[in-house]
Formats: sequence, structure tokens, C-alpha cells
Amino acid sequence: AQSVTQPDIHITVSEGASLELRCNYSYGATPYLFWYVQSPGQGLQLLLKYFSGDTLVQGIKGFEAEFKRSQSSFNLRKPSVHWSDAAEYFCAVGAFSGSARQLTFGSGTQLTVLP
Amino acid sequence: SQTIHQWPATLVQPVGSPLSLECTVEGTSNPNLYWYRQAAGRGLQLLFYSVGIGQISSEVPQNLSASRPQDRQFILSSKKLLLSDSGFYLCAWSPGTEDTIYFGEGSWLTVV
Repeated sequence: AQSVTQPDIHITVSEGASLELRCNYSYGATPYLFWYVQSPGQGLQLLLKYFSGDTLVQGIKGFEAEFKRSQSSFNLRKPSVHWSDAAEYFCAVGAFSGSARQLTFGSGTQLTVLP
Repeated sequence: SQTIHQWPATLVQPVGSPLSLECTVEGTSNPNLYWYRQAAGRGLQLLFYSVGIGQISSEVPQNLSASRPQDRQFILSSKKLLLSDSGFYLCAWSPGTEDTIYFGEGSWLTVV
């Protein structure tokens, strides 16, 4: 069975600083990897995804993530954080179960942005 | 473009009362549909998924049930709510030929 670990429960950064959110996965085959963002009381919005090909993927809102197979990681980065980036971030790995693609989520990382 | 609607957005229900959350997807056909729950301070847990009308798979034993009466409609129900059913419920969908799952805005359920 697949699993996802987000080691950092809460991260605080200053506005304008760089950001890296960590994600480690466990999956027996080539993973399908995702990052979602959730603002308070809202649903989840897809930031970016990795299926195959270039290991550095670009997403919305200036985010990027790098797939490193040797480290089983898919860390999310942003060079300069904006106050509006404050939210909870979820990493997920996709796997088949029966005939439907499903996601296994990490427990999330809460991002606080200081002015 | 495709959109997903989920309602009600918020509800407060007494213990032992029934529940019905509804979700519809527009702009696509034969989607895979999902119900997730997010308990306070915890991650997301897959409750049910469906690959077609009347086809429901349950991931977690509980007093909840799901139904898919129409191609783009997914309903989460309970006959008698428990306090532990409180949480944030998210409906989601994915195209049959793509691996990305798209989420609705969620429904806050508080059981009192």
C-alpha cells in the first residue's frame, strides 16, 4: 500500500522568503504525485502534478516541485512567498484500487506567512 | 469547463438524525466520483468511490453510505449520525482517462 509523509506539521516564513515543503512517499511502482492547497474552510485546489517526464514540474501561483526517485521525495518550492500563500498544503500519491484511481494524502503542512 | 457543486455547505445535526450530502458534476460524462472526510487536525480519508451509476466501493466501515443515482450525482447519507461523524466532507471527481482528482468546496458537518 502507498503512503505519504509530510514531516513538517507547521512552517512559518516571512513574506518574500523562499519556501520548501517536504513530502516523502512510499509506493511500489512509478508514482503519480500531486500537491494540493487548502485555504481555511475551502476545498482543495490542485497546485501541480507529476506523472512522468521532466522531474521538475511547474504549477500555478509560482509553485514548483521536484521528483527525486532516489530519495522518494516530491518537495514543493516557491522562491518568494506571498501573504496569500498562507494555507494548508497536502501532498498525495495516486494509485489504482480496483478500477478507480485514488489518492493517498499526507497529513498536511500548515503554512503561516509573517508580514 | 467542468465544475463540481456540493451542498449544503454547512449543517448542524443532532445525534441520531439522518444525513444527506449531495454532489453534482457538470461538463463531463462518466466521471469517477469520490467522498472524502477531513476530521479536525487530520488529513483526508477516502470514504467511498464510484466508477459508474450504482457502483459504489467503500473504503472504511462506518455508518455512512453512498449512492450514485445518476451519472454525475453522488450522495452521501446516514440513517443515524454519531458525534464522530463530525468533520469536513469533500466530494471529488476525476475523468476516467486522467489521474487527477478535482475537489468541491466541501461541507462542514457538526453533530451535536
